[in-house]
Amino acid sequence: DIQMTQSPSTLSASVGDRVTMTCRASQSISSWLAWYQQKPGKAPKLLIYKATSLESGVPSRFSGSGSGTEFTLTISSLQPDDFATYYCQQYNRYPYIFGQGTKLEIK
Amino acid sequence: QVQLVESGGGVVQPGRSLRLSCAASGFTFSSYGMHWVRQAQGKGLDWVAVISYDGSKKYYVDSVKGRFSISRDNSKNTVYLEMNSLRAEDTAVYYCAKESGSYVKDYWGQGTLVTVSS
Repeated sequence: DIQMTQSPSTLSASVGDRVTMTCRASQSISSWLAWYQQKPGKAPKLLIYKATSLESGVPSRFSGSGSGTEFTLTISSLQPDDFATYYCQQYNRYPYIFGQGTKLEIK
Repeated sequence: QVQLVESGGGVVQPGRSLRLSCAASGFTFSSYGMHWVRQAQGKGLDWVAVISYDGSKKYYVDSVKGRFSISRDNSKNTVYLEMNSLRAEDTAVYYCAKESGSYVKDYWGQGTLVTVSS
């Protein structure tokens, strides 16, 4: 199975900050990577697919980059609504493993 | 608008069975793959299973192979997860999710809680 590792596990930042979080795959997944945002008690929300494509309706302050085994999610200017947990997921090969998540906290 | 509504969760004893349902509306159900994803309390997301649009292909995470079975009824716009030989570690909120044309999960239900406990 392809393993996904996210870092950091927790990220503290302030409104207006630019933040970046990383997702690494244990083998190449080309660009078959998605990012999801999840808030407590809610279902995940799709943000980015195919590593760099922004889902319709998602603010442009979110962006994704990378290919192969290294990927990043960047939020250009944090808004209060962005404090949540972020998960990457590979969909190159079954099983579609998620990373363990990065919790974005208010500093 | 797309709606996914899970049902069937509850408290069940170890070794017993449970069937979850996910009723879909707002899109052409028979054209899309459907997934089940679970999340234990305070833990991360755990992909469980997927079924293709026509039910011909099914894939599972290793930890549920041989115990769980995904199926669908396109006439009822419903996807199911039959869970047998349940274990304490299967305790989680179970979400169904629609697969988009880009193979990612673009819509999710609100989840149904399964608790395996004696």
